[in-house]
Amino acid sequence: GENVEQHPSTLSVQEGDSAVIKCTYSDSASNYFPWYKQELGKRPQLIIDIRSNVGEKKDQRIAVTLNKTAKHFSLHITETQPEDSAVYFCAASNDYQLIWGAGTKLIIKP
Amino acid sequence: NAGVTQTPKFQVLKTGQSMTLQCAQDMNHEYMSWYRQDPGMGLRLIHYSVGAGITDQGEVPNGYNVSRSTTEDFPLRLLSAAPSQTSVYFCASKARSVTFFGQGTRLTVV
Repeated sequence: GENVEQHPSTLSVQEGDSAVIKCTYSDSASNYFPWYKQELGKRPQLIIDIRSNVGEKKDQRIAVTLNKTAKHFSLHITETQPEDSAVYFCAASNDYQLIWGAGTKLIIKP
Repeated sequence: NAGVTQTPKFQVLKTGQSMTLQCAQDMNHEYMSWYRQDPGMGLRLIHYSVGAGITDQGEVPNGYNVSRSTTEDFPLRLLSAAPSQTSVYFCASKARSVTFFGQGTRLTVV
């Protein structure tokens, strides 16, 4: 079955700097890769996603890249702000099952 | 649309008690699921359903039952609560790959 590994588990960056979180997956049949943000005490919410027929997708300060050959995808946040502090989860899906990474706690230092 | 609605938000149970966590969605999604999230951890799939009358086990199904008599509702039953079931529980529904979460139920078993 699918396995998703996420790194790092904790990431601390200076406000204004960029943050990169990386995930690898094992099932070449996976075709959908979402990223969720979970603020403390809140539900996970979708921030960006990418499908296997696309290599990169951007939405303002957030971008996701996908390398199908290497089976890895990454979340890039530029110009980080205090409100970016949260736990970020990646996931991989092959139509029905969504397999989650373990999460990355992003800390934005003032 | 209210989205995915979970009740209650908080619950304290004594060991051995049973209870049902309610989940309803008004988006006509076929796929619904239940996750648990332990402190500082990722999301683990308990049970899921691909449509009314169909349920299946996820990664950690022991101690939990589900049913899906209608498209809208997907209750999770704890048969005999144990301290190991202390967690935050999220119900979710999915359509066209995107997963939407309820606000969560924080359950403590003493």
